Amino acid sequence: AQSVTQLDSQVPVFEEAPVELRCNYSSSVSVYLFWYVQYPNQGLQLLLKYLSGSTLVKGINGFEAEFNKSQTSFHLRKPSVHISDTAEYFCAVRNRGGYQKVTFGIGTKLQVIP
Amino acid sequence: SQTIHQWPATLVQPVGSPLSLECTVEGTSNPNLYWYRQAAGRGLQLLFYSIGIGQISSEVPQNLSASRPQDRQFILSSKKLLLSDSGFYLCAWSVSGTGIYEQYFGPGTRLTVT
Repeated sequence: AQSVTQLDSQVPVFEEAPVELRCNYSSSVSVYLFWYVQYPNQGLQLLLKYLSGSTLVKGINGFEAEFNKSQTSFHLRKPSVHISDTAEYFCAVRNRGGYQKVTFGIGTKLQVIP
Repeated sequence: SQTIHQWPATLVQPVGSPLSLECTVEGTSNPNLYWYRQAAGRGLQLLFYSIGIGQISSEVPQNLSASRPQDRQFILSSKKLLLSDSGFYLCAWSVSGTGIYEQYFGPGTRLTVT
């Protein structure tokens, strides 16, 4: 079975400051990893994904994430946040092969302070 | 392009009343379909998934049921709602059998059981 841990439920950060949202996963097999963003009262939107290849993945809105297999982590980063980045961010993992069941973390609320 | 619709957007129902939430996908064929529930502080909980018409798998025993009467239609139902059924319900789809692994989410239905 796979699992995802998002270590911070809320992260306040000042506008234009850098941010890192942490995600660790657990799985007995190789995985695919995702970050989604959810704005209030909306569905989830894919930010970025790691399938294979380069461990540094760039996504939309200036976000990037780095896959670290030895630390089983997939932390999300942005060098300079904007007010519009205020949202909830979900890390997700899916085992390679077979049915596409995805396990989501409980989410991290990013609050950008003006 | 593909789109996913959910309705209604919001719903207030009394305890013990029936429920029917509908999700439809346009622009793709034979998608995998999913129902999630999002409760405050608990992330996304996978309720049901379907890999084809009439094929439903339940992830969590509960008061809800799902059906897939048509290829791109997924319905979430209950005969008698409980207070604990309140939450934000999200439908999602993914393409099966290709190199695309992410899920695409609908706008969600906010259900309040009173």
